[in-house]
Amino acid sequence: GAVVSQHPSRVICKSGTSVKIECRSLDFQATTMFWYRQFPKQSLMLMATSNEGSKATYEQGVEKDKFLINHASLTLSTLTVTSAHPEDSSFYICSAAGTFSYEQYFGPGTRLTVT
Amino acid sequence: AQRVTQPEKLLSVFKGAPVELKCNYSYSGSPELFWYVQYSRQRLQLLLRHISRESIKGFTADLNKGETSFHLKKPFAQEEDSAMYYCALRTPGGYNKLIFGAGTRLAVHP
Repeated sequence: GAVVSQHPSRVICKSGTSVKIECRSLDFQATTMFWYRQFPKQSLMLMATSNEGSKATYEQGVEKDKFLINHASLTLSTLTVTSAHPEDSSFYICSAAGTFSYEQYFGPGTRLTVT
Repeated sequence: AQRVTQPEKLLSVFKGAPVELKCNYSYSGSPELFWYVQYSRQRLQLLLRHISRESIKGFTADLNKGETSFHLKKPFAQEEDSAMYYCALRTPGGYNKLIFGAGTRLAVHP
């Protein structure tokens, strides 16, 4: 089956710094990648949708200047949390979908802790 | 507005008992509904979708447009079914965007 990886799995950073999270589709070309945020014991909240070579589409209430998304290739998308604050601490999950597939394949998630 | 509601945060049953995880949706058009499962320490994965009308691991789900529901059922729960279950709605068009419910934790006790 299709595999999506995320790196790092856990990251701790200081308030005010930026942190980059990578999402890779390992064995298929992902024309669309999605970034979600999950708070403890809550559901996944879609942050943005990115298509390869295009600007990401952000959901209402998500600051695009704070959560920078780049989808430069068909196998890699990155989420950069800029000027991180403790309230950005969360579990960030990516998913990827191929060109003609409805199905999203999910990454294992990245736990971000901002101190 | 598009919304998915899973009213139960936790469903606790004994092994062998029937299970029904409730899901209701709000969407004016023709939605596609999915159930995703997340086992402990594992990533989210697709369990089943309404279009295929299949049974996966003994689970089935029927789309009821009149009641706007897509409840997940299994006649005899197993301990290995214990997991977090999310109902999701995909609206036609766009980029295959999924809207997730809050999730229901199923705990199957021996």
